Amino acid sequence: EAAVTQSPRNKVAVTGGKVTLSCNQTNNHNNMYWYRQDTGHGLRLIHYSYGAGSTEKGDIPDGYKASRPSQENFSLILELATPSQTSVYFCASGGTGGDTGQLYFGEGSKLTVL
Amino acid sequence: QQKVQQSPESLIVPEGGMASLNCTSSDRNVDYFWWYRQHSGKSPKMLMSIFSNGEKEEGRFTVHLNKASLHTSLHIRDSQPSDSALYLCAARRNGNYQLIWGSGTKLIIKP
Repeated sequence: EAAVTQSPRNKVAVTGGKVTLSCNQTNNHNNMYWYRQDTGHGLRLIHYSYGAGSTEKGDIPDGYKASRPSQENFSLILELATPSQTSVYFCASGGTGGDTGQLYFGEGSKLTVL
Repeated sequence: QQKVQQSPESLIVPEGGMASLNCTSSDRNVDYFWWYRQHSGKSPKMLMSIFSNGEKEEGRFTVHLNKASLHTSLHIRDSQPSDSALYLCAARRNGNYQLIWGSGTKLIIKP
């Protein structure tokens, strides 16, 4: 079974503070993703990556940065956290070609910004 | 406006019954579809995929796809309490191959 691990699982941050969410995958997948999930919106893509050193903007990148220093690791960075960024964040990894829709998700990181 | 629309938003089905969930993409630049299941407090897990017109069956689960209307449906027969979950539909964009997600159907199976 493909493995994606996120940390921290729960985080409380203050408005204006910096938050880093980390993700590690042992699937040797090229593609990695960061999503947020809010009630009524499903999953919304923030940033994604095709491999080490690459990051791409997703549908809602404002207020977020991403970093992919290696095949296994993909981080999401909130430089100046705001209450509107309170959400559950999911990291996922996936293959290429016809399998691009088969994603393996981490267990999620619940972020609360006060 | 969500580009991938799922209906109904929620559905209650008696144990042993048939659950039918719908998904339509208003974005014409999509090709393949996936269905994911997310139990409460857990992460989404892929359930089924469908790439061509017609029907695909895996155990109690059947997926249909009509590419002309970009409509897919998921049918669960002999529903079990463990099927209670949020069901997410995703369509893959042509070009960058990213997924567009619906907001889900919350399925409750009543014993």
